[in-house]
Amino acid sequence: QVQLQQSGPGLVKPSETLSLTCIVSGGSISTYYWSWIRQPPGKGLEWIGYFHYRGSTNYNPSLKSRVTISVDTSKNHFSLKLSSVTAADTAVYYCARGTSSWFWGNWGQGTLVTVSS
Amino acid sequence: EIVLTQSPGTLSLSPGERATLSCRASQSVRSSYLAWYQQKPGQAPRLLIYGASSRATGIPDRFSGSGSGTDFTLTISRLEPEDFAMYYCQQYGSSRITFGQGTRLEIK
Repeated sequence: QVQLQQSGPGLVKPSETLSLTCIVSGGSISTYYWSWIRQPPGKGLEWIGYFHYRGSTNYNPSLKSRVTISVDTSKNHFSLKLSSVTAADTAVYYCARGTSSWFWGNWGQGTLVTVSS
Repeated sequence: EIVLTQSPGTLSLSPGERATLSCRASQSVRSSYLAWYQQKPGQAPRLLIYGASSRATGIPDRFSGSGSGTDFTLTISRLEPEDFAMYYCQQYGSSRITFGQGTRLEIK
C-alpha cells in the first residue's frame, strides 16, 4: 500500500521560496504520475503541476514562472518549490499519485503553509 | 482552460435520499477524462470516479458517474450519513488540469 508523507515548513515569509517534499513509501517513484495540488483555506482545489515517470513535467500556467517540481529517485521522493510567495499562496498543499493518468487515488496528508512575516 | 461549473452550490438532502450533482464543462472534455472526489473537513480528497463512470477501488456501488462531452453527473443512490461532504469534479483531458468549485452536500 503506497503512502505519501509530506514534510516542510508551515510558515514562509513573503517574497521567499516555499519548499515541500513528498516521501513515497510502499511503491517506486519511478512509475506512475505525481502531482502537487493546493487548497486555500475555505476554498476549492487548484492543480499546481505534475511530472510523469518518463520525464515529462507540466505546470499550471498561472504559476509556471514560479514553480519547480523535482524528483530524487535515489530517495524516492519529489519536491515542490514555489518562489516569490505572497499571502495569496497561503494554502494546504497536497502531493498525490495517479496510477494510470492525471487523476489521483493516493494523497499525502496535506501541509498548511502560511505566508506571513 | 476548461472551466468546470458545478451545481448546485449546496444540496440539502436527508439520509436515504438520492443525490444528483452536476458538473458542466466550458468545452468538451476529451475522452471523458473526468473524475469526482469527495472531501471531508480536515482530510485530503478521496477519489470516487474516474473516466466519467469508473468507480475507484473500494468505492461503494451507491456512487455512480455518467456523462460525456460537456455534461457530467455524479449520483449517490441512497445517501448514508458519511456521504455528507464536499464534492469536486476534475478534468484531465487537457494539459491544464482544472477542478470545479465544488458542491456541498449537507444534511437537511
